[in-house]
Order: sequence, then structure tokens, then C-alpha cells
Amino acid sequence: AQKITQTQPGMFVQEKEAVTLDCTYDTSDPSYGLFWYKQPSSGEMIFLIYQGSYDQQNATEGRYSLNFQKARKSANLVISASQLGDSAMYFCAMREDETGTALIFGKGTTLSVSS
Amino acid sequence: DGGITQSPKYLFRKEGQNVTLSCEQNLNHDAMYWYRQDPGQGLRLIYYSQIVNDFQKGDIAEGYSVSREKKESFPLTVTSAQKNPTAFYLCASSSIRGRGAEAFFGQGTRLTVV
Repeated sequence: AQKITQTQPGMFVQEKEAVTLDCTYDTSDPSYGLFWYKQPSSGEMIFLIYQGSYDQQNATEGRYSLNFQKARKSANLVISASQLGDSAMYFCAMREDETGTALIFGKGTTLSVSS
Repeated sequence: DGGITQSPKYLFRKEGQNVTLSCEQNLNHDAMYWYRQDPGQGLRLIYYSQIVNDFQKGDIAEGYSVSREKKESFPLTVTSAQKNPTAFYLCASSSIRGRGAEAFFGQGTRLTVV
């Protein structure tokens, strides 16, 4: 079974608008971390934001925020005020703290920002 | 500057050849990983290592081999047993201390079978 599910293969947004990229996860480990990465066409992986399973508040980093709904097992990324440079592939990932250190990735969502 | 260096950036392999992808980090991270990415797909874990001289198979280890003789280095060999090796390969490292330790990635190696 998929541990990380990203159901939106592609998303389109206009500059300056906000966009939400969906991510649901599956784990029985009570302690885990959720990560979002951005991959531009160059291929590099850029870390954006982290949310721990015990964190009470939703994580925020500049224009990025994570809408963490633990009971629903969702960790959606919200990008506010989109910019042309946000066009990229976005990956949601999870690390299960009790079973290992490797990140498990979803299949990604391609975001296209237009002017 | 601290970081992860992968080489080469592009690699071409003939059928039946073994090739080795290099990955070096100077971040003093204990854990290192190899992922494979196919077009339009997510990253799939090939191997990972949490300590020198020890490593574990990931989801798609068949046809690949690794070694971890030094903390800084985690080379990946794509053997002739890997039937479809054309892909983008990403190496990463992270601390194993702290739940929020994100993985840092190299620039990737694009392998093509010719």
C-alpha cells in the first residue's frame, strides 16, 4: 500500500494566488515526520518545510505553510502569493521514527504558475 | 561549503556493463541514501546506510550494490543485473539524531543505457 499519496498529478495557478498541494499518508508509527521538497527542472531537491507528528502548531516557513490534520492523516502544503519561480515538481515525504531513517516519497505534483 | 557531491552528472552505459555512481558528503552526517527517480515519478529508495560498514536494502535494491567504507562516501554500483537502469539517481544524507532532520540531496546523476 502507498504510504504517501499525492492525488494531483498537475496543478495550475496564477501568479499571486494561493495554491494547496494535497498529501495523505499512512503509518501506524506514533512518531513520524512529514517533509515537503521542491524539485525544479534542474533536478535538485530543495527542502521546504517539516512537520512533526507531535507538533501542536502547523509549520510555516515564509510563503509555505503546512496544513496538518493528524486525524485525517493529511499534510497539505499551502503556497501563498505564488511566483513564477514556484513552477516545479513538489514531493511530500515521511520518515517513520521507529522503523528507520529513510524518507518515503510520494509521486509528486507538478505545479505550473502562469502570469 | 558543506554539501553533497554526486558525479558524474551524466553517465552512459552499454548493455552488460557495471557502472559506479559517486556520492560524497562533508556534512558529517551518519545516514546516507540512494534514490532512483523515473520520469514523472517519485523517488524510490534503493539502499541506505546509517553507519560505516553497514547498509540496508530499500524497495528496489535488485541489480544494485553499495559500500560504506568511509562516513563521507556511499558509492552506488549499477550492475548488469539491473534490466532497466536508465533513470535519474539522487544521493542524500541526513543526521539520524532529531526527528526533524531533513535529508540533503546531491545534484543527481542521469544514467542512460546506450
